[in-house]
Amino acid sequence: AQRVTQPEKLLSVFKGAPVELKCNYSYSGSPELFWYVQYSRQRLQLLLRHISRESIKGFTADLNKGETSFHLKKPFAQEEDSAMYYCALGWGQTGANNLFFGTGTRLTVIP
Amino acid sequence: DADVTQTPRNRITKTGKRIMLECSQTKGHDRMYWYRQDPGLGLRLIYYSFDVKDINKGEISDGYSVSRQAQAKFSLSLESAIPNQTALYFCATLNGNTGELFFGEGSRLTVL
Repeated sequence: AQRVTQPEKLLSVFKGAPVELKCNYSYSGSPELFWYVQYSRQRLQLLLRHISRESIKGFTADLNKGETSFHLKKPFAQEEDSAMYYCALGWGQTGANNLFFGTGTRLTVIP
Repeated sequence: DADVTQTPRNRITKTGKRIMLECSQTKGHDRMYWYRQDPGLGLRLIYYSFDVKDINKGEISDGYSVSRQAQAKFSLSLESAIPNQTALYFCATLNGNTGELFFGEGSRLTVL
């Protein structure tokens, strides 16, 4: 069965420190992995997807099929990064058939 | 600006009442979704629709029903609300080319 695990419900880091939000998945096929973010009083929105291999707001995430992980990383955290982050697993054409979310990690960046 | 709009944004109701949450979109996307967000449980899929008249059950469909009468509208109904359906509900549309979901602002439902 498909599963997304985000082991940390809460994560606090100091401004300027590196941050890593962990995500592990379970899926027997070829997955599409995404990170979604929800800033305070804003809508849930896409941060990045593995297939794009891009850096958004300084964040990157590499799909590691051997470890079935898709950890989100940023070398220097900023206060505006404080938000709720969800890892999501999709499958089917363009990952469009369904999207399965993890339980989320609330990141707090301490000034 | 193309958008996903949910109504009502907040609703308090009593056990046993029928409730409808409505979602409309101007993005022109065929695929629409209803999710439920609970603290510590993340987002869980209730129902989804790939096109008008197409309805598919998600992870937690029991106690809910949906209607997709037009491409732009996807409504979620609770026929007889119960307290454990108290949650934040999100509607979303999918860009089928990129796999990106576009979310509404959420509807907070409280069942007393």
